[in-house]
Amino acid sequence: GNSVTQMEGPVTLSEEAFLTINCTYTATGYPSLFWYVQYPGEGLQLLLKATKADDKGSNKGFEATYRKETTSFHLEKGSVQVSDSAVYFCALDNNAGNMLTFGGGTRLMVKP
Amino acid sequence: NAGVMQNPRHLVRRRGQEARLRCSPMKGHSHVYWYRQLPEEGLKFMVYLQKENIIDESGMPKERFSAEFPKEGPSILRIQQVVRGDSAAYFCASFTGTRSSPLHFGNGTRLTVT
Repeated sequence: GNSVTQMEGPVTLSEEAFLTINCTYTATGYPSLFWYVQYPGEGLQLLLKATKADDKGSNKGFEATYRKETTSFHLEKGSVQVSDSAVYFCALDNNAGNMLTFGGGTRLMVKP
Repeated sequence: NAGVMQNPRHLVRRRGQEARLRCSPMKGHSHVYWYRQLPEEGLKFMVYLQKENIIDESGMPKERFSAEFPKEGPSILRIQQVVRGDSAAYFCASFTGTRSSPLHFGNGTRLTVT
């Protein structure tokens, strides 16, 4: 079946540091891959996505590249801000009804 | 254009009571997912509904849990005879039904069973 594995948090960084959150997946076929962000007390918001191998999703300075050969979709940002503090979820869909399989989430804490 | 609306935001129930969680999808969305998030964990799929139809309920416990999405009105997730282990955040997400159209999440209902 489908599964998503993320690095465990919390990840604590200083402002303007470089961010990487690792995500690997197991899936049949050719899933689409997503990163969602959850701010405290809120629901999930789509951050970025990629629908096929070698696609790069990007938004708000965040990037992730769909690597089929390593089954990975690592999230990166060159310079984090305090406002980026949130929980980040990697997810894939099964290309049949948009059902998402989520990783366990990684909490990011950015200190001034 | 209102987003996905869930209510209540917080719900406290004693063991053995019933919990009803409501989800109004975005306008134009006819498909709804329910997910459960246990503390410090990711989201787990529960059920996938289309109006008047349950498409996939493989993630929902067979007992005490039920879900519906009537032709009119919100989708309802119902938990009967709640237990402490039901304490979690329950999220609803809706989309148009077209494959690859984005999911929109509500802010969740946080259920606490005392």
